[in-house]
Amino acid sequence: LAKTTQPISMDSYEGQEVNITCSHNNIATNDYITWYQQFPSQGPRFIIQGYKTKVTNEVASLFIPADRKSSTLSLPRVSLSDTAVYYCLVGDMHNQGGKLIFGQGTELSVKP
Amino acid sequence: DGGITQSPKYLFRKEGQNVTLSCEQNLNHDAMYWYRQDPGQGLRLIYYSQIVNDFQKGDIAEGYSVSREKKESFPLTVTSAQKNPTAFYLCASSGRGSSYNEQFFGPGTRLTVL
Repeated sequence: LAKTTQPISMDSYEGQEVNITCSHNNIATNDYITWYQQFPSQGPRFIIQGYKTKVTNEVASLFIPADRKSSTLSLPRVSLSDTAVYYCLVGDMHNQGGKLIFGQGTELSVKP
Repeated sequence: DGGITQSPKYLFRKEGQNVTLSCEQNLNHDAMYWYRQDPGQGLRLIYYSQIVNDFQKGDIAEGYSVSREKKESFPLTVTSAQKNPTAFYLCASSGRGSSYNEQFFGPGTRLTVL
């Protein structure tokens, strides 16, 4: 399983764009990149997933360069409610019941 | 509404006792998972099941046991052999129709050993 590395913590202010970068040098050909968000005392929630280039949904954008060794989660115009831990994972989305490794994540703190 | 439920939300146990945490899903998902989370840490995989009547150990299975007799249910037993069971326990499921990387999590059970 590919290991991921991301910053332990980040600070931002309301209204700013936040970019969280994740490194996954050993990503396999069949692996997809997935990001989750977790609030205190709750289970993580799926945010976005991609394989290459750019993916956008109503919550975030995910940028993946051609070599796929890293990815960047972009949160536009964050608010206080975006304060949470964000996890980057890689895995084969077609692998039934395959293991996903949740690292320590990035703790994002949004200030007024 | 489809979803995944865990009960109880809070659980207190005396040392030396076994305790079972419930996890039920009505999402028709094949795969189910149990994670443990300690304060300030990420999630660690305890057990996972790809299909009924089959399950595999995760990274920290010692002191835990599971069963998967029904597709909808994946209970976790924390045995007295688990040396430090106080933690937040999360159950998840994933399956066809969504990516297997998209796991749906329950609200969690916070276990405290007295």
